[in-house]
Amino acid sequence: GQQVMQIPQYQHVQEGEDFTTYCNSSTTLSNIQWYKQRPGGHPVFLIQLVKSGEVKKQKRLTFQFGEAKKNSSLHITATQTTDVGTYFCAGQRTGTASKLTFGTGTRLQVTL
Amino acid sequence: KAGVTQTPRYLIKTRGQQVTLSCSPISGHRSVSWYQQTPGQGLQFLFEYFSETQRNKGNFPGRFSGRQFSNSRSEMNVSTLELGDSALYLCASSLVAGAANEQFFGPGTRLTVL
Repeated sequence: GQQVMQIPQYQHVQEGEDFTTYCNSSTTLSNIQWYKQRPGGHPVFLIQLVKSGEVKKQKRLTFQFGEAKKNSSLHITATQTTDVGTYFCAGQRTGTASKLTFGTGTRLQVTL
Repeated sequence: KAGVTQTPRYLIKTRGQQVTLSCSPISGHRSVSWYQQTPGQGLQFLFEYFSETQRNKGNFPGRFSGRQFSNSRSEMNVSTLELGDSALYLCASSLVAGAANEQFFGPGTRLTVL
C-alpha cells in the first residue's frame, strides 16, 4: 500500500534558526496537504499543493511539491516558539478517489 | 461557524466492551472521515462517509464500523475492545467528498482501554 515517510522524526532548534521537514511518498500523488498539530491539539490544515514543482509561501513557511509529485518539503524561516508542534504531510494517490494518507510527522521543538 | 465537535472527549473502557463515538461536522459539510492516532502508528485512516454512504475504508478489522446520518453527523463503533485500540480518535469534515479537500479536524476522543 501507499506509504508516506517524513524526516526527521524530531528536530529541536533555537528560536531564529530555520527548519525543514521532508515528505516522501512511495507512489505518485495527485495532491499533497500539510497540517500542523500543536501539543494536545488536533491537526490544522496549512496548505494544499497540486501542481508538479509548485512552491507556495505563507509568511515564514515555504512549501514545495516535487517535480515527480512524490515528495514535498516544508521550510520555516527564523522559527518562533509558536511554531512548536508536529507537522504532517498527507497525500492522495494519483488516479483514484483514494483516501488521504498521512505522513509519519515531524515534531518540532523550539527553545529560546 | 462552529467547528467539528466530537463526543465524548474522554472515555475509559475495559477489554471486550464496545464503544460508540460521535462526530458532528461543520454545518454544510457532507463528508466525514475518521482517523486513529497513536504514538506508534501515527494518523491512520479508518473510513470516510459522504451522504450516508461509506466511500473509503482503511485497513482496520471489522470490529471498527461507522455510519452517517441524514444530517451528516457520524458515529463510529468499536466492538470487542482490545488494549491496542487505545488511541485518539479524530474525525474530520470537508465540504465535499474526496481526499483532495481540506480536512477540518475535531478535538478528538481519547479512548483508553484497560
